Amino acid sequence: KQEVTQIPAALSVPEGENLVLNCSFTDSAIYNLQWFRQDPGKGLTSLLLIQSSQREQTSGRLNASLDKSSGRSTLYIAASQPGDSATYLCAVKGSGTYKYIFGTGTRLKVLA
Amino acid sequence: EAQVTQNPRYLITVTGKKLTVTCSQNMNHEYMSWYRQDPGLGLRQIYYSMNVEVTDKGDVPEGYKVSRKEKRNFPLILESPSPNQTSLYFCASSLWVGLDRTGANVLTFGAGSRLTVL
Repeated sequence: KQEVTQIPAALSVPEGENLVLNCSFTDSAIYNLQWFRQDPGKGLTSLLLIQSSQREQTSGRLNASLDKSSGRSTLYIAASQPGDSATYLCAVKGSGTYKYIFGTGTRLKVLA
Repeated sequence: EAQVTQNPRYLITVTGKKLTVTCSQNMNHEYMSWYRQDPGLGLRQIYYSMNVEVTDKGDVPEGYKVSRKEKRNFPLILESPSPNQTSLYFCASSLWVGLDRTGANVLTFGAGSRLTVL
């Protein structure tokens, strides 16, 4: 059964730092992996989607990589800003299924 | 504006009183799904629908029902709510799941419905 883990659960960094958030999954037979941002009291916003055939995706200051063989994805945030403070979640869709399995998220706080 | 709309946003109810949480999307999406979010457990999928009249169970379907009579709507029904269904619920949709086309699998989420069952 697919399990998705995000470590650390919380992270606090000073403004301007480059940082990496981690997502691990146990079954490498995935169709895609998505990274989301969740602000308090709000829904999730999709940041990046990586198909299983891709190695990385970029959007602005965000870069997500995927290594299926090792069961890992990373979300790189460049030059962090206080507005980046939120909870970041990753979700995996398995090959041959229509289900999504979410990690429990990393709560990020960027200090001004 | 392209969006997923959930109602109600907040609800307090009592054990056993049937309730429905509505979900509607205006993007002509094929795929819709429901999740619950609980502290320490993350988001868990309750049910999903591939298209009209096509639904299937997620990982935590017990105590819930869904229907997909129209493409835009996917209501979540709690026939006899219990306190362990107190949670934050999210509806999400995507154009299609399985079609390898840019953006087709991107999930769009509603703002969430916080349900308390006393």
